[in-house]
Amino acid sequence: QKEVEQNSGPLSVPEGAIASLNCTYSDRGSQSFFWYRQYSGKSPELIMFIYSNGDKEDGRFTAQLNKASQYVSLLIRDSQPSDSATYLCAVNGGGKLIFGQGTELSVKP
Amino acid sequence: ETGVTQTPRHLVMGMTNKKSLKCEQHLGHNAMYWYKQSAKKPLELMFVYNFKEQTENNSVPSRFSPECPNSSHLFLHLHTLQPEDSALYLCASSQVRNEQFFGPGTRLTVL
Repeated sequence: QKEVEQNSGPLSVPEGAIASLNCTYSDRGSQSFFWYRQYSGKSPELIMFIYSNGDKEDGRFTAQLNKASQYVSLLIRDSQPSDSATYLCAVNGGGKLIFGQGTELSVKP
Repeated sequence: ETGVTQTPRHLVMGMTNKKSLKCEQHLGHNAMYWYKQSAKKPLELMFVYNFKEQTENNSVPSRFSPECPNSSHLFLHLHTLQPEDSALYLCASSQVRNEQFFGPGTRLTVL
């Protein structure tokens, strides 16, 4: 079993819709969770982090964490074509970040 | 300069060459990392340095040799690489165990 799993996609949503990206992890002791956005040919850019169960909102982005289910998600409201990228989930396990394989998001005008 | 910088941004080398990648962070962080990202594959952690000490070597072949002279600088020395080593090499920094910030990467092509 992979330590951090994401659906590789591609996930395609129309402009203005809500994009929902999901991630599961295997280490129950994980304490911190991160979402990175990576445009093609560029390096990952941190967009959200969450430490506590529940929701954390930042502009159009909402991170959701459920430690009991070992599940973290990222919602992007009012999706824009500029949101088209690969989204990487990362989990802090044993003092290092474990990355998922990323979900490719495509927002169609 | 701000954030994390990497040089060169692009590198083409033959299998017998020796080259070095450089990373510098201007964030006051005390941990630095090297990652490899091949096409359509997850990020692969290669090395971790905390307070200049190597704390992780993720079974990386010896043809990759890291060096961390201080908390702000990290090098990756390359020699006798193979074509399958062609990838994007990313440097990142963080306060220990916190969120990591990435440099722009070096696109390496081994001929």
